[in-house]
Amino acid sequence: EVQLVESGGGLVQPGGSLRLSCAVSGFTFSNYWMTWVRQAPGKGLEWVANIKQDGSEKYYLDSVKGRFTISRDNAKNSLYLQMSGLRAEDAAIYYCARQVAPDFWGQGTLVTVSS
Amino acid sequence: SYELTQPSSVSVSPGQTARITCSGDVLAKKYARWFQQKPGQAPVLVIFKDSERPSGIPERFSGSSSGTTVTLTISGAQVEDEADYYCYCAADNIGAFGGGTELTVL
Repeated sequence: EVQLVESGGGLVQPGGSLRLSCAVSGFTFSNYWMTWVRQAPGKGLEWVANIKQDGSEKYYLDSVKGRFTISRDNAKNSLYLQMSGLRAEDAAIYYCARQVAPDFWGQGTLVTVSS
Repeated sequence: SYELTQPSSVSVSPGQTARITCSGDVLAKKYARWFQQKPGQAPVLVIFKDSERPSGIPERFSGSSSGTTVTLTISGAQVEDEADYYCYCAADNIGAFGGGTELTVL
């Protein structure tokens, strides 16, 4: 069974940093692109970033470029999103998903940005 | 970046056919997929490659494509189909979602 479990969300002050993790199981992680998607409260889905199987290619939403970094550890079957310079508009549920065109999703982790 | 445009809401009575459209220039060149999201839950894939249905998705869900528009059709919509629906497309490894359509079945 494919499973993706996000963690690391929480309350952070504007300008602060947070590292999200996504632990996967049930498939060969190193064979797949991976994606982060977010959803602000009461809003729609927003693609954030994705990363190639070996980490050699990474793509970002314009508004997070230079502030967010996607990475992965294939030995640990884990995906990460390092977020810095957080703004109020970054507050959202962050989902990890398998593939560039997502098929399986985790349940998400909530990031709150507030002073 | 590119844009995908969906109606904000669609309403049908149970048993009727619901159609949700998604428009964008990129759709003429790339496949789209559709996600269903119910309150408090993660999105679920219901259509991929414009018209393919994943295993476990009811046959009443279908998809089609014409030019720069893709359409999700729910034939004989049921109360449990009430949800938000999002189209999605990726080009050059950059993804984008439509704004979402709230489907009401009552």
